[in-house]
Amino acid sequence: DAGVIQSPRHEVTEMGQEVTLRCKPISGHNSLFWYRQTMMRGLELLIYFNNNVPIDDSGMPEDRFSAKMPNASFSTLKIQPSEPRDSAVYFCASSSRSYNEQFFGPGTRLTVL
Amino acid sequence: DAKTTQPNSMESNEEEPVHLPCNHSTISGTDYIHWYRQLPSQGPEYVIHGLTSNVNNRMASLAIAEDRKSSTLILHRATLRDAAVYYCILRDFNNDMRFGAGTRLTVKP
Repeated sequence: DAGVIQSPRHEVTEMGQEVTLRCKPISGHNSLFWYRQTMMRGLELLIYFNNNVPIDDSGMPEDRFSAKMPNASFSTLKIQPSEPRDSAVYFCASSSRSYNEQFFGPGTRLTVL
Repeated sequence: DAKTTQPNSMESNEEEPVHLPCNHSTISGTDYIHWYRQLPSQGPEYVIHGLTSNVNNRMASLAIAEDRKSSTLILHRATLRDAAVYYCILRDFNNDMRFGAGTRLTVKP
């Protein structure tokens, strides 16, 4: 099993640009989570899906952030427009049930100039 | 959400046991105690979890106090590869997972 796959691994963009982060969960997992990690705030849950349906998006910082899960094998996290304070490592995780062990991807390091 | 309190950092010598404490005095009856760790430049990885009884797996042991207000993650023989940030997290059946600051474990050769 390849584990959770995230792309790109690194993204450098300029303020105001649209950024799209991608995640492929482990096959057969029904729950998918997006996290953000910064030195100042640590690891924060942004949103999670059960069976492709968003369950809790209370961690999404503001309207500039949106997440979709069009099918069981793919999810995106979009930031439009991006700002320097969005610079962070974004992790995607999946689990077979929302309360089960989560498997994390390698993360996407985003730098917004 | 119930909170956990962990020391910011701990040190251990290689091949010695490590006891990582976690206080969770406001734990509810349905909260599970989960431990994850994050190695440098990697995503977090699951270590162990439990509800009331002590638990063992190939990575570690989890000792849970009788009143469940504290727990201890035990690494029986620390290796250099165990150097990481260890997170103690409370999870209800229906709740998501909220990470705190964790304990940064340094293992000295």
